[in-house]
Amino acid sequence: DVKVTQSSRYLVKRTGEKVFLECVQDMDHENMFWYRQDPGLGLRLIYFSYDVKMKEKGDIPEGYSVSREKKERFSLILESASTNQTSMYLCASSQGRAKLFFGSGTQLSVL
Amino acid sequence: GENVEQHPSTLSVQEGDSAVIKCTYSDSASNYFPWYKQELGKGPQLIIDIRSNVGEKKDQRIAVTLNKTAKHFSLHITETQPEDSAVYFCAASRGVPTDSWGKLQFGAGTQVVVTP
Repeated sequence: DVKVTQSSRYLVKRTGEKVFLECVQDMDHENMFWYRQDPGLGLRLIYFSYDVKMKEKGDIPEGYSVSREKKERFSLILESASTNQTSMYLCASSQGRAKLFFGSGTQLSVL
Repeated sequence: GENVEQHPSTLSVQEGDSAVIKCTYSDSASNYFPWYKQELGKGPQLIIDIRSNVGEKKDQRIAVTLNKTAKHFSLHITETQPEDSAVYFCAASRGVPTDSWGKLQFGAGTQVVVTP
């Protein structure tokens, strides 16, 4: 089975801190994604990557950046965390256009 | 861009009854419509999908129907069981079959509660 592993299940940070969320997939998938999940808003795409060192903005990239130095790893970076970035963050990977495989998510609280 | 609306936001059903979740989309070029199920504490998982050249698809107790003219698609769960309790997301995307990535637009989600 495909496994997408997110480094932390829960994370508490302070306003202004630089935050790194890490994601690793073990199936050699080309594509990796970062979503944000908020109640009533569903899943919103922050950034995605279809190849190493490649990245594309999603629907809500403001305040975030990403890094993909290796095929299996995709990092989400909050340069200066703010309270409105308190959310559930989901990483996903896919091979091709169809099925996304999601990690279990990181619940980030910014105080 | 694509906009996907999903209804209802919550759905409570008696075990054994059917559940129906409806989604509408705005982009007539969308041609791929998956449904994801998210259980408590887990990430979403694909349960069924349909492409625009098909009107209906069934997999055991779940089925999805697509009406391209009206731009809406629905998830049907028959003979619901307590393990069907979860949040369900619909999604839509466009692109040709050779696209190497899938940029999905998700609905807001439906919390389904199946009571014994």
